[in-house]
Amino acid sequence: GENVEQHPSTLSVQEGDSAVIKCTYSDSASNYFPWYKQELGKRPQLIIDIRSNVGEKKDQRIAVTLNKTAKHFSLHITETQPEDSAVYFCAAMKAAGNKLTFGGGTRVLVKP
Amino acid sequence: DTEVTQTPKHLVMGMTNKKSLKCEQHMGHRAMYWYKQKAKKPPELMFVYSYEKLSINESVPSRFSPECPNSSLLNLHLHALQPEDSALYLCASSQVKGPRGFVNTGELFFGEGSRLTVL
Repeated sequence: GENVEQHPSTLSVQEGDSAVIKCTYSDSASNYFPWYKQELGKRPQLIIDIRSNVGEKKDQRIAVTLNKTAKHFSLHITETQPEDSAVYFCAAMKAAGNKLTFGGGTRVLVKP
Repeated sequence: DTEVTQTPKHLVMGMTNKKSLKCEQHMGHRAMYWYKQKAKKPPELMFVYSYEKLSINESVPSRFSPECPNSSLLNLHLHALQPEDSALYLCASSQVKGPRGFVNTGELFFGEGSRLTVL
């Protein structure tokens, strides 16, 4: 089955700096790659997603890049703010089967 | 309405109790999911229903019994649980297509979860 590895497990950045989280996946049939943000005691919420026919997607301060050949994708957060502090999960899903597999998570702390 | 509603928010039960978790969505999504999340870990898939039929069971112990009575509701029946089953149980839904609903077409929307404590 699919295996998603996520690094780093914790990330501490100064407010205003950039944060980068990297994920690799094992199943070349995966074609949907969402990123979820989960604040303490809250539900995971989608912040951005990308499909395998696109190499990069941006939404304001958040961008995701996908390298299908290398089977890795990354989340970039620019101009970080304290409210960006949370746990971020990458995930991967195949075209068929509805099984979303999560990475291990990255705890991001933005220091004011 | 883009909400997935889960009840109860908190549940404490003994190992001999029978209880149920409920999940409801009115977005017309035809895939619904149960995930289990332990502290500081990612959500782990338990079950997937597509068009009200069980399509994935991730080898979950039979003390967890899912039910999808209609396209808007998903239940998780709990019986004879163990303390290690204490966790946050998340329901999710998504839009799908295809004759058996196996092709996901959009994001998974998660409910706020039911925090279960087994004594």
